[in-house]
Amino acid sequence: QQQVKQSPQSLIVQKGGISIINCAYENTAFDYFPWYQQFPGKGPALLIAIRPDVSEKKEGRFTISFNKSAKQFSLHIMDSQPGDSATYFCAASQRIGGSYIPTFGRGTSLIVHP
Amino acid sequence: KAGVTQTPRYLIKTRGQQVTLSCSPISGHRSVSWYQQTPGQGLQFLFEYFSETQRNKGNFPGRFSGRQFSNSRSEMNVSTLELGDSALYLCASSSDPGTAGEQYFGPGTRLTVT
Repeated sequence: QQQVKQSPQSLIVQKGGISIINCAYENTAFDYFPWYQQFPGKGPALLIAIRPDVSEKKEGRFTISFNKSAKQFSLHIMDSQPGDSATYFCAASQRIGGSYIPTFGRGTSLIVHP
Repeated sequence: KAGVTQTPRYLIKTRGQQVTLSCSPISGHRSVSWYQQTPGQGLQFLFEYFSETQRNKGNFPGRFSGRQFSNSRSEMNVSTLELGDSALYLCASSSDPGTAGEQYFGPGTRLTVT
């Protein structure tokens, strides 16, 4: 059972365009929703994250929109740049045994054409 | 501050063999988590260690095991390797696993089982 569903699997946008990646979850025990960016040969790196008591969070060109009632959240990358080309993972975390344990989406491969 | 280091970076093993992977966390971090990343299943949580104790374990068979040493370095072991164990194994460290978002990934060990 896939607890966090991510779409699309791949995304191609032109430089300057908006990239949108969507995720949906089922477990209401999740209370922290991070997005990770992964470049080839590197481990994932935390990009931006949100708590369910906030509907939107913006950091530079990256914005998370969160819909608690629909159990959905999305990442918007404004003014997409070729350097943003990477794989993006959403995650939903819950605290288990004193630690936050993430459940990841399957990932979205983003290509930004110059 | 040095990041999370993992050794070796690449490994080729034969089915039936066993393998040990190593992770050195960021200095001062006491929590180490391990993840398996495959194209088919994405990023999946294996286990988490904090102060030499396994606090959480994912849904993997007993062939997957790990340990943490007093200096917070961690190893994971996979016995009786199967072809399906081919994956990128990622280690992440945290200073306070009870704080959401406090997780830094290493570059991973690419394991190929033939």
